[in-house]
Amino acid sequence: DQQVKQNSPSLSVQEGRISILNCDYTNSMFDYFLWYKKYPAEGPTFLISISSIKDKNEDGRFTVFLNKSAKHLSLHIVPSQPGDSAVYFCAAVHSNYQLIWGAGTKLIIKP
Amino acid sequence: SQTIHQWPATLVQPVGSPLSLECTVEGTSNPNLYWYRQAAGRGLQLLFYSIGIDQISSEVPQNLSASRPQDRQFILSSKKLLLSDSGFYLCAWSRRGGSYEQYFGPGTRLTVT
Repeated sequence: DQQVKQNSPSLSVQEGRISILNCDYTNSMFDYFLWYKKYPAEGPTFLISISSIKDKNEDGRFTVFLNKSAKHLSLHIVPSQPGDSAVYFCAAVHSNYQLIWGAGTKLIIKP
Repeated sequence: SQTIHQWPATLVQPVGSPLSLECTVEGTSNPNLYWYRQAAGRGLQLLFYSIGIDQISSEVPQNLSASRPQDRQFILSSKKLLLSDSGFYLCAWSRRGGSYEQYFGPGTRLTVT
C-alpha cells in the first residue's frame, strides 16, 4: 500500500528551465511533507519542507507547493542547474518518528 | 554542528556470514535513530527506529536486528546474511521532539554473494 507516490521514475529538463517534480499521497491525515535530494552512493540530503497550514514554501531556487484537496505536492526548481541532477524523494510525516517515502524521481538536467 | 558517521562504506559478504554495520552521531544528544535500506532502483525502506537506549522498533520482519548500546550509537546486525539482504544501508538521525527532518549518513553498500 503506497501512501506516497512519485509516478514519474525520471524527468529530463534543459539547463536553465524549470523542473517540476510531483508527488501524490493518499492519507489525508498527513500534515507535513519533506523533499530530499540524493546523489548516487550518498545519503539523501534535506531540501525543503512544508506544513499543511501552508500551500507554498520557498527557499532560493526551490519552491514546494501543496494542494491538500488534491492530495498533491510539487517541487519546482528554477532555474535548473547541472548540479541538480539527482534522485528526488518526497516524504510524508507519519508520526514523530517515521517518514513515509515515495519511490523517487530521477532528475536529469541537460546542458 | 552535528555529524553522522557510518562504516564501512562498502562490504562484500558471503551468504550465511554475519553482519555488523555501525552508525554514530556527534554534536547532539538523545537523537532519534533510524536504519533504512534502499534496494536498487527503489525508495527507502525503514528497517528500525529508536527513540532511546533499549527502545528499538522493527518495521519489517527479517533476519536483521538493531541495537543501541549508547545514546548516539546504532548498530545493524545479522547472524546469517541472505542474498536478498544486498542493498544500500542508510543510518539517519532526527532531533527528539523537534523538527521532522531526518539527517542521513553516507551509507553502506552491502553485496551478499
